[in-house]
Amino acid sequence: TQLLEQSPQFLSIQEGENLTVYCNSSSVFSSLQWYRQEPGEGPVLLVTVVTGGEVKKLKRLTFQFGDARKDSSLHITAAQPGDTGLYLCAGEDNYGQNFVFGPGTRLSVLP
Amino acid sequence: GVTQSPTHLIKTRGQQVTLRCSSQSGHNTVSWYQQALGQGPQFIFQYYREEENGRGNFPPRFSGLQFPNDSSELNVNALELDDSALYLCASSLSATYNEQFFGPGTRLTVL
Repeated sequence: TQLLEQSPQFLSIQEGENLTVYCNSSSVFSSLQWYRQEPGEGPVLLVTVVTGGEVKKLKRLTFQFGDARKDSSLHITAAQPGDTGLYLCAGEDNYGQNFVFGPGTRLSVLP
Repeated sequence: GVTQSPTHLIKTRGQQVTLRCSSQSGHNTVSWYQQALGQGPQFIFQYYREEENGRGNFPPRFSGLQFPNDSSELNVNALELDDSALYLCASSLSATYNEQFFGPGTRLTVL
């Protein structure tokens, strides 16, 4: 089973700070997705990265896929309280039969 | 959007439960996930055009149905205490995990 690990598990920062969260695996993924989940809601897709080394930007969020397609990072610039939530990375296994989520990074941005 | 019912449910050990999902219009694929408290979602199975199209590491007492009218069901027999979790459904197109739209989930508590 392909597994995804995420770090840190928890992160509490002040508004305006920058942060990076990581998603790692010992296995190669054809693509990775990042989601944000707020309490009482389902995850919402933020981005899909497909190509090794790919960088995608979504306003203040920058996503990078590792060259070997085993890891990914999410960098948030000038965090805001509205960024608070559970950030999940996820990917499809090589057989297309299973979709794996990491355990998530719980981010709290304090005003 | 994707809707799920009921929002909350309390059952006792050994009982059976049926959870319902209404997919986004036109989506022919539905995936179900179990999310325990403080963890990332775990893939249960995916249905594509009313046939099971992939399954995670869940026992046969977890079963599903997909209907032609954009609705689907997750059935769990012989409930165990560890089945207490948030159950999420997600709809997408063409048997993929790309562009999944998640519902808000059903919170199941097994006593």
